[in-house]
Amino acid sequence: KQEVTQIPAALSVPEGENLVLNCSFTDSAIYNLQWFRQDPGKGLTSLLLIQSSQREQTSGRLNASLDKSSGRSTLYIAASQPGDSATYLCAVRPDGGGGNKLTFGTGTQLKVEL
Amino acid sequence: DAGVIQSPRHEVTEMGQEVTLRCKPISGHDYLFWYRQTMMRGLELLIYFNNNVPIDDSGMPEDRFSAKMPNASFSTLKIQPSEPRDSAVYFCASSFGDRGMNTEAFFGQGTRLTVV
Repeated sequence: KQEVTQIPAALSVPEGENLVLNCSFTDSAIYNLQWFRQDPGKGLTSLLLIQSSQREQTSGRLNASLDKSSGRSTLYIAASQPGDSATYLCAVRPDGGGGNKLTFGTGTQLKVEL
Repeated sequence: DAGVIQSPRHEVTEMGQEVTLRCKPISGHDYLFWYRQTMMRGLELLIYFNNNVPIDDSGMPEDRFSAKMPNASFSTLKIQPSEPRDSAVYFCASSFGDRGMNTEAFFGQGTRLTVV
């Protein structure tokens, strides 16, 4: 059974700092990995999707990397802003006969302070 | 497209009552997912459909939970009878499933269910 872990569970940084969020998964047979953002009381917003054949994806100040063989992904946020404060979730989609369901990590709650 | 649309956004009901949550996926998506989010267990997949057919319902907690997808643009999740431990946020999501396409999943805003 796929298990997805995110560390740290919570992170507080001053504005302007670069930061890295970590995601690890136990079964490397994944088709892709997706990073989401969730604001309090809101739904999930997709940030980046990395296919298993890719090493990284970039969108603005966000960069996500994937090391499939070691079961790890990182989300790098450059020059953090208070508006980046949210919970960040990673999710993996299985390869092969695992269907199309996403398994989510536990999330990292980020607070960017002025 | 307006994205995945869920209704109602909030639902407060008494224990024992029937609750029906609704979802309209993004037009053209052939996969639809129902998730439940709680503080204790995070996001859990309850059931998912492919082309309106249930594929995996192993996450449905009990027989009190049922889900249907009568057509490509509508799905329901029903709880009957509801219990206080069902209180959670329920999310619907949709995506393409064809491995040759972008299989990015898009989520609705969720339904916050409170059973008292």
